[in-house]
Amino acid sequence: EAGVTQFPSHSVIEKGQTVTLRCDPISGHDNLYWYRRVMGKEIKFLLHFVKESKQDESGMPNNRFLAERTGGTYSTLKVQPAELEDSGVYFCASSETGRVNTEAFFGQGTRLTVV
Amino acid sequence: LAKTTQPVSMDSYEGQEVNITCSHNNIATNDYITWYQQFPSQGPRFIIQGYKTKVTNEVASLFIPADRKSSTLSLPRVSLSDTAVYYCLVGDGGSGNTGKLIFGQGTTLQVKP
Repeated sequence: EAGVTQFPSHSVIEKGQTVTLRCDPISGHDNLYWYRRVMGKEIKFLLHFVKESKQDESGMPNNRFLAERTGGTYSTLKVQPAELEDSGVYFCASSETGRVNTEAFFGQGTRLTVV
Repeated sequence: LAKTTQPVSMDSYEGQEVNITCSHNNIATNDYITWYQQFPSQGPRFIIQGYKTKVTNEVASLFIPADRKSSTLSLPRVSLSDTAVYYCLVGDGGSGNTGKLIFGQGTTLQVKP
Protein backbone atom coordinates (compact mmCIF):
# COMPACT_ATOMS: atom_id res chain seq x y z
CA GLU A 1 0.00 0.00 0.00
CA ALA A 2 1.29 3.45 -0.92
CA GLY A 3 2.23 5.76 1.93
CA VAL A 4 1.63 9.48 2.20
CA THR A 5 2.93 11.17 -0.92
CA GLN A 6 3.95 14.80 -1.21
CA PHE A 7 4.73 16.78 -4.34
CA PRO A 8 7.02 18.42 -5.17
CA SER A 9 9.90 17.21 -3.03
CA HIS A 10 11.69 20.52 -3.51
CA SER A 11 10.60 23.94 -4.66
CA VAL A 12 12.58 27.12 -5.08
CA ILE A 13 10.60 30.27 -5.77
CA GLU A 14 11.13 33.98 -5.62
CA LYS A 15 9.63 36.18 -2.97
CA GLY A 16 6.16 37.27 -4.03
CA GLN A 17 5.46 34.22 -6.16
CA THR A 18 2.85 31.57 -5.49
CA VAL A 19 3.54 27.95 -4.66
CA THR A 20 1.14 25.06 -4.25
CA LEU A 21 2.11 21.96 -2.32
CA ARG A 22 0.19 18.75 -2.71
CA CYS A 23 -0.38 15.85 -0.35
CA ASP A 24 -1.94 12.49 -1.15
CA PRO A 25 -2.82 10.71 2.09
CA ILE A 26 -3.10 6.99 2.58
CA SER A 27 -6.30 5.78 0.99
CA GLY A 28 -9.15 5.65 3.47
CA HIS A 29 -7.55 8.00 5.99
CA ASP A 30 -10.03 10.69 6.91
CA ASN A 31 -7.55 12.71 8.99
CA LEU A 32 -5.03 14.83 7.12
CA TYR A 33 -2.56 17.18 8.78
CA TRP A 34 -0.09 19.76 7.60
CA TYR A 35 3.04 20.58 9.61
CA ARG A 36 6.14 22.58 8.85
CA ARG A 37 9.62 23.08 10.20
CA VAL A 38 11.38 26.30 9.52
CA MET A 39 15.16 26.43 9.83
CA GLY A 40 16.38 25.67 13.34
CA LYS A 41 12.93 25.37 14.81
CA GLU A 42 10.67 22.55 15.88
CA ILE A 43 8.06 20.87 13.73
CA LYS A 44 4.89 22.91 14.10
CA PHE A 45 1.28 21.97 13.44
CA LEU A 46 -0.50 24.00 10.77
CA LEU A 47 -3.94 22.49 10.33
CA HIS A 48 -6.10 19.41 10.42
CA PHE A 49 -8.74 18.14 8.00
CA VAL A 50 -11.34 15.51 8.73
CA LYS A 51 -12.39 14.47 5.26
CA GLU A 52 -12.99 17.75 3.46
CA SER A 53 -13.68 19.83 6.57
CA LYS A 54 -11.11 21.93 8.40
CA GLN A 55 -11.16 20.67 11.97
CA ASP A 56 -8.42 22.86 13.36
CA GLU A 57 -6.49 25.57 11.54
CA SER A 58 -5.05 27.22 14.62
CA GLY A 59 -1.49 26.75 13.38
CA MET A 60 -1.84 28.56 10.07
CA PRO A 61 0.57 31.51 10.30
CA ASN A 62 -1.42 34.07 8.31
CA ASN A 63 -3.86 34.54 5.46
CA ARG A 64 -1.19 34.01 2.84
CA PHE A 65 -1.62 30.30 3.50
CA LEU A 66 -4.65 28.49 2.08
CA ALA A 67 -5.29 24.78 2.48
CA GLU A 68 -7.95 22.80 0.69
CA ARG A 69 -9.07 19.24 0.57
CA THR A 70 -11.78 19.00 -2.03
CA GLY A 71 -13.62 15.70 -2.01
CA GLY A 72 -11.82 14.58 1.10
CA THR A 73 -8.97 12.97 -0.78
CA TYR A 74 -5.76 14.86 -1.60
CA SER A 75 -4.96 18.23 -0.11
CA THR A 76 -3.18 21.32 -1.36
CA LEU A 77 -1.44 24.03 0.59
CA LYS A 78 -1.00 27.28 -1.29
CA VAL A 79 1.29 30.08 -0.23
CA GLN A 80 0.49 33.39 -1.92
CA PRO A 81 2.50 35.55 -1.99
CA ALA A 82 5.48 33.71 -0.58
CA GLU A 83 7.83 35.47 1.81
CA LEU A 84 11.38 34.62 2.82
CA GLU A 85 10.28 33.38 6.25
CA ASP A 86 8.07 30.75 4.62
CA SER A 87 11.15 28.73 3.73
CA GLY A 88 11.23 25.37 5.44
CA VAL A 89 10.07 21.78 5.15
CA TYR A 90 6.34 21.17 4.92
CA PHE A 91 5.10 17.78 6.07
CA CYS A 92 1.78 16.16 5.49
CA ALA A 93 0.45 13.32 7.64
CA SER A 94 -2.67 11.18 7.63
CA SER A 95 -4.36 8.85 10.07
CA GLU A 96 -7.49 6.80 10.47
CA THR A 97 -10.50 7.93 12.42
CA GLY A 98 -12.62 6.03 14.86
CA ARG A 99 -9.69 4.75 16.93
CA VAL A 100 -8.01 6.18 20.00
CA ASN A 101 -4.55 7.58 19.43
CA THR A 102 -4.16 6.38 15.91
CA GLU A 103 -0.69 6.38 14.41
CA ALA A 104 0.05 9.27 12.09
CA PHE A 105 1.82 8.47 8.83
CA PHE A 106 4.01 11.22 7.44
CA GLY A 107 5.11 12.01 3.93
CA GLN A 108 8.72 12.75 3.08
CA GLY A 109 8.07 16.47 3.09
CA THR A 110 8.38 19.32 0.60
CA ARG A 111 11.40 21.54 1.05
CA LEU A 112 10.40 25.08 0.13
CA THR A 113 13.02 27.73 -0.43
CA VAL A 114 11.95 31.31 -1.00
CA VAL A 115 14.68 33.55 -2.40
CA LEU B 1 -1.08 19.11 25.41
CA ALA B 2 1.67 18.31 27.92
CA LYS B 3 5.15 19.70 27.37
CA THR B 4 7.97 17.21 27.16
CA THR B 5 11.67 17.49 27.96
CA GLN B 6 14.31 15.16 26.55
CA PRO B 7 18.08 15.31 26.03
CA VAL B 8 19.17 17.26 22.99
CA SER B 9 21.64 14.63 21.86
CA MET B 10 23.08 11.23 22.71
CA ASP B 11 25.95 9.16 21.38
CA SER B 12 26.17 5.40 21.32
CA TYR B 13 28.08 2.58 19.67
CA GLU B 14 26.81 -0.20 17.50
CA GLY B 15 25.45 -3.15 19.45
CA GLN B 16 24.71 -1.17 22.59
CA GLU B 17 21.32 -0.66 24.17
CA VAL B 18 20.18 2.96 24.12
CA ASN B 19 17.75 4.43 26.60
CA ILE B 20 16.25 7.87 25.97
CA THR B 21 14.29 9.35 28.83
CA CYS B 22 11.56 11.93 28.43
CA SER B 23 10.04 14.02 31.19
CA HIS B 24 6.38 15.01 31.05
CA ASN B 25 5.54 16.25 34.54
CA ASN B 26 2.20 17.74 33.53
CA ILE B 27 0.84 14.67 31.79
CA ALA B 28 -2.94 14.41 32.03
CA THR B 29 -4.95 11.36 32.97
CA ASN B 30 -6.10 10.76 29.39
CA ASP B 31 -2.71 11.38 27.76
CA TYR B 32 -0.84 8.65 25.94
CA ILE B 33 2.92 8.70 25.36
CA THR B 34 4.11 8.29 21.80
CA TRP B 35 7.58 8.19 20.26
CA TYR B 36 8.46 9.05 16.70
CA GLN B 37 11.72 8.61 14.80
CA GLN B 38 12.92 10.89 12.03
CA PHE B 39 15.72 10.30 9.56
CA PRO B 40 17.22 13.17 7.55
CA SER B 41 15.09 14.20 4.59
CA GLN B 42 12.16 12.08 5.75
CA GLY B 43 9.03 12.66 7.73
CA PRO B 44 8.66 11.38 11.31
CA ARG B 45 7.79 7.72 11.71
CA PHE B 46 5.78 6.20 14.55
CA ILE B 47 7.81 3.87 16.78
CA ILE B 48 5.79 2.99 19.84
CA GLN B 49 2.99 4.18 22.08
CA GLY B 50 1.95 3.42 25.64
CA TYR B 51 -0.16 4.52 28.56
CA LYS B 52 1.46 2.82 31.55
CA THR B 53 3.93 0.09 32.56
CA LYS B 54 5.80 -1.48 29.67
CA VAL B 55 5.11 -1.81 25.98
CA THR B 56 7.29 -3.76 23.58
CA ASN B 57 7.21 -4.18 19.82
CA GLU B 58 9.65 -5.40 17.21
CA VAL B 59 11.51 -2.10 17.21
CA ALA B 60 11.65 -0.83 20.78
CA SER B 61 10.39 -0.97 24.32
CA LEU B 62 8.70 1.80 26.24
CA PHE B 63 8.92 1.94 30.01
CA ILE B 64 6.48 4.12 31.92
CA PRO B 65 6.65 4.38 35.73
CA ALA B 66 3.56 4.40 37.88
CA ASP B 67 3.41 8.19 38.19
CA ARG B 68 3.69 8.55 34.39
CA LYS B 69 5.73 11.72 34.74
CA SER B 70 8.47 10.29 32.59
CA SER B 71 9.03 7.55 30.06
CA THR B 72 12.03 5.76 28.62
CA LEU B 73 12.42 4.57 25.08
CA SER B 74 14.75 1.60 24.89
CA LEU B 75 16.40 0.59 21.63
CA PRO B 76 18.10 -2.79 21.88
CA ARG B 77 21.41 -3.34 20.14
CA VAL B 78 21.45 -0.22 17.98
CA SER B 79 23.04 -0.13 14.56
CA LEU B 80 24.34 2.74 12.45
CA SER B 81 20.93 2.93 10.76
CA ASP B 82 19.33 3.91 14.07
CA THR B 83 21.03 7.29 13.87
CA ALA B 84 18.08 9.66 13.83
CA VAL B 85 16.09 12.19 15.83
CA TYR B 86 13.70 10.69 18.37
CA TYR B 87 10.65 12.63 19.51
CA CYS B 88 8.62 12.04 22.65
CA LEU B 89 5.04 13.31 22.50
CA VAL B 90 2.09 13.14 24.86
CA GLY B 91 -1.51 13.69 23.94
CA ASP B 92 -5.10 13.09 24.84
CA GLY B 93 -6.64 10.02 23.24
CA GLY B 94 -10.14 10.86 24.27
CA SER B 95 -13.07 11.94 22.18
CA GLY B 96 -11.79 15.49 22.06
CA ASN B 97 -8.51 14.45 20.50
CA THR B 98 -7.85 15.90 17.11
CA GLY B 99 -4.70 13.89 16.68
CA LYS B 100 -2.63 17.05 16.53
CA LEU B 101 0.97 16.29 17.45
CA ILE B 102 3.10 18.73 19.43
CA PHE B 103 6.76 18.18 18.67
CA GLY B 104 9.59 19.26 20.91
CA GLN B 105 13.22 19.51 19.89
CA GLY B 106 13.73 15.75 20.00
CA THR B 107 16.86 13.78 20.84
CA THR B 108 19.47 13.39 18.14
CA LEU B 109 20.96 9.93 18.52
CA GLN B 110 24.31 9.36 16.86
CA VAL B 111 25.38 5.73 16.60
CA LYS B 112 29.08 5.23 16.00
CA PRO B 113 30.82 2.15 14.61
